Amino acid sequence: EPEVTQTPSHQVTQMGQEVILRCVPISNHLYFYWYRQILGQKVEFLVSFYNNEISEKSEIFDDQFSVERPDGSNFTLKIRSTKLEDSAMYFCASSEPTSSGANVLTFGAGSRLTVL
Amino acid sequence: AQSVTQPDIHITVSEGASLELRCNYSYGATPYLFWYVQSPGQGLQLLLKYFSGDTLVQGIKGFEAEFKRSQSSFNLRKPSVHWSDAAEYFCAVGGGYNKLIFGAGTRLAVHP
Repeated sequence: EPEVTQTPSHQVTQMGQEVILRCVPISNHLYFYWYRQILGQKVEFLVSFYNNEISEKSEIFDDQFSVERPDGSNFTLKIRSTKLEDSAMYFCASSEPTSSGANVLTFGAGSRLTVL
Repeated sequence: AQSVTQPDIHITVSEGASLELRCNYSYGATPYLFWYVQSPGQGLQLLLKYFSGDTLVQGIKGFEAEFKRSQSSFNLRKPSVHWSDAAEYFCAVGGGYNKLIFGAGTRLAVHP
């Protein structure tokens, strides 16, 4: 079964450092997303991406965050200068159009970011 | 405002007992509804979804959910729980290609 793959599975970084989280969405999917889950809390939407541009972003997704689809397969989330509160599990997801117009997201296993 | 409420933070059931996890939503348009499961240290796996039609939907692992528009609910059920069902369960709502909005989750523990 096709899956969304994320790397790294766990990254530890110092506060102020730049971090890039990578995702390979399912190959025929057109919509891409990043969500995050702070330990013990709910899954929160960060950003959605379609047709090589951001289609929606949350208030969490400030100027410290950026996304990119540098080639035909990868979808990356960059945090320019990490803060302690960026420590979380980051989930990438992708979706394909359905006949009903609904949106079924397939999630990756997540990348756990720890900021020290 | 769009939101999802899962009233039960933590539920414990005995193996073989029935299970119902509650979910209420607030959404301005016709909602698409989902249940995802997250095992410890794992990602989110789709259990089932409701788009339209029959309000009782079947999912994987023997789960089902019923959409009740009048109650704005989409409760998840399983007639007989297995120890391997211990996980966190998230209800989510979305529309079209918009983002999914997740509830806070319900952590299920299963006693032998």
